Amino acid sequence: DVKVTQSSRYLVKRTGEKVFLECVQDMDHENMFWYRQDPGLGLRLIYFSYDVKMKEKGDIPEGYSVSREKKERFSLILESASTNQTSMYLCASSWTLNLNTQYFGPGTRLTVL
Amino acid sequence: AQTVTQSQPEMSVQEAETVTLSCTYDTSENNYYLFWYKQPPSRQMILVIRQEAYKQQNATENRFSVNFQKAAKSFSLKISDSQLGDTAMYFCAFSAFGNEKLTFGTGTRLTIIP
Repeated sequence: DVKVTQSSRYLVKRTGEKVFLECVQDMDHENMFWYRQDPGLGLRLIYFSYDVKMKEKGDIPEGYSVSREKKERFSLILESASTNQTSMYLCASSWTLNLNTQYFGPGTRLTVL
Repeated sequence: AQTVTQSQPEMSVQEAETVTLSCTYDTSENNYYLFWYKQPPSRQMILVIRQEAYKQQNATENRFSVNFQKAAKSFSLKISDSQLGDTAMYFCAFSAFGNEKLTFGTGTRLTIIP
């Protein structure tokens, strides 16, 4: 079974803090994704990566950056957290040539005070 | 750009009944994939069912089946003999062939009533 893990289930940070969300997958997937999930808005893509050190902006990249130094790990960085970044963050991974099917982590619920 | 619309924010149904969740999408692509994902309360999002647009036959997975109408750009999910464990948020998603990104709908919260 594919396993995607995220470093924290719940996180509380202060406005202005730098926040790191970590995601690790164990299936040698090339592609990794970061989404935020908000009620009534569904899942929106923040960034994705199709290879080590490669990244592409998604639909809502403002206020976020990412890092992928190793194939199995994809980090989401909030350089200066703001209250409007309070949300559920979901990581996913996929293997190219697997019919675009993504596998999700359990999510991190981030609260910025 | 693709859009995915789920017009039913919430639904509820009695246990053992059949329920259908609606999804429509808009795209100019001819080859693509459609998905239904399930997110149980406080649990991980998992794939329920996938449909390849080039296949005319509707996908089925045990109690879950889809009604894929390509011309109408409609992709509904039918859950037969619903169970308490089916209580979850259900998301419809679209992905163009050759593009790994998914576009999600806003979700339908389904509650199965004992």
